[in-house]
Amino acid sequence: GNSVTQMEGPVTLSEEAFLTINCTYTATGYPSLFWYVQYPGEGLQLLLKATKADDKGSNKGFEATYRKETTSFHLEKGSVQVSDSAVYFCALSAPNYGGATNKLIFGTGTLLAVQP
Amino acid sequence: KAGVTQTPRYLIKTRGQQVTLSCSPISGHRSVSWYQQTPGQGLQFLFEYFSETQRNKGNFPGRFSGRQFSNSRSEMNVSTLELGDSALYLCASSPDRGRGTEAFFGQGTRLTVV
Repeated sequence: GNSVTQMEGPVTLSEEAFLTINCTYTATGYPSLFWYVQYPGEGLQLLLKATKADDKGSNKGFEATYRKETTSFHLEKGSVQVSDSAVYFCALSAPNYGGATNKLIFGTGTLLAVQP
Repeated sequence: KAGVTQTPRYLIKTRGQQVTLSCSPISGHRSVSWYQQTPGQGLQFLFEYFSETQRNKGNFPGRFSGRQFSNSRSEMNVSTLELGDSALYLCASSPDRGRGTEAFFGQGTRLTVV
């Protein structure tokens, strides 16, 4: 079945450090890939997405490239800020026999803590 | 534009009781999905509704049910509550169904079963 694997946290970085959070997926067909972020006490917010191979999603300095050959969608940011501290979820959505779906399959989440 | 509204925000119930959670999607959104978030199992898909019809169901027992109304508002119900049902229940709305459609999440309902 479809699944998402992302690196265990927590990830602790100093401000302005480079961030990478690894995400790999298993899916039949051609899924859409997403990164969502959850701040304390909040619901999830879409950070970025990519819908086909070699697409790069980007937002607020974060980037991720849809790599079909390695089934990966790693999240990167060149210089993190304290305000980036949150839990980051990699997710996929894949059509099924019933056609299009908004069902999301999430990874376990990675807690990022950025220290001043 | 108002976001996704979930009510109530917090709920405490006793084992064996039932509970109904409500979700009002963003105006104009026709798709509503529900997720359960727990520390042990993470985020798990419960249901997807579109135009009042359940389109997808996750791997949860029959005690979990839901519905969507003609105004796209949705409710989910859990009967015969168990301690393990304690979780944050998140509702997400989307304008439509399709490739790469963004889901907009509410703040969730925190259910505690005692």
